[in-house]
Amino acid sequence: AQTVTQSQPEMSVQEAETVTLSCTYDTSESNYYLFWYKQPPSRQMILVIRQEAYKQQNATENRFSVNFQKAAKSFSLKISDSQLGDTAMYFCAFISGNNDMRFGAGTRLTVKP
Amino acid sequence: GAGVSQSPSNKVTEKGKDVELRCDPISGHTALYWYRQSLGQGLEFLIYFQGNSAPDKSGLPSDRFSAERTGGSVSTLTIQRTQQEDSAVYLCASSTSLNQPQHFGDGTRLSIL
Repeated sequence: AQTVTQSQPEMSVQEAETVTLSCTYDTSESNYYLFWYKQPPSRQMILVIRQEAYKQQNATENRFSVNFQKAAKSFSLKISDSQLGDTAMYFCAFISGNNDMRFGAGTRLTVKP
Repeated sequence: GAGVSQSPSNKVTEKGKDVELRCDPISGHTALYWYRQSLGQGLEFLIYFQGNSAPDKSGLPSDRFSAERTGGSVSTLTIQRTQQEDSAVYLCASSTSLNQPQHFGDGTRLSIL
């Protein structure tokens, strides 16, 4: 069975600084998809970034980028120039080629002014 | 455009009662997912529907839980003989297809007294 581990339950960062959230996963499959989702306080879960395992290039969306290390089964999220609105729970998610879905337990990120 | 809509937003009921939670996915989205999120926890996958295929029920925690999707659109999650441990936020998401980014509703907060 696939597992997703987020080893940092809580993190904080000063506004305008950079923070990296870690995510590791365990799978025997070669075809899968990885996601980071953001859940602001009392608000809807939204997609931050998506990575296909067959692509070597790291996905980037504005201030958000990933460091995808397939051999190490690591998928960390880097947030540059952190903003107060980035304060949220961040979930790493894995979907296999045969549609097995797993979410990590989440990392609560607080951006401090 | 309209996003994923869930109703009710909050539900309080007594232990032993049955409850029905509703999800209206984004129009045209063929994949629909149900998750459970306990307080401060990650997402627990419950079930997903893809088009007219038989749903993947592998995540349902017990036979008290069931879900259906009528006409490939609206879905209802039914919990029979509710227990206090069923208290959680139940999230619904939809996507254009499996492996594509999921769009989440605001969830239904279920409280079992």
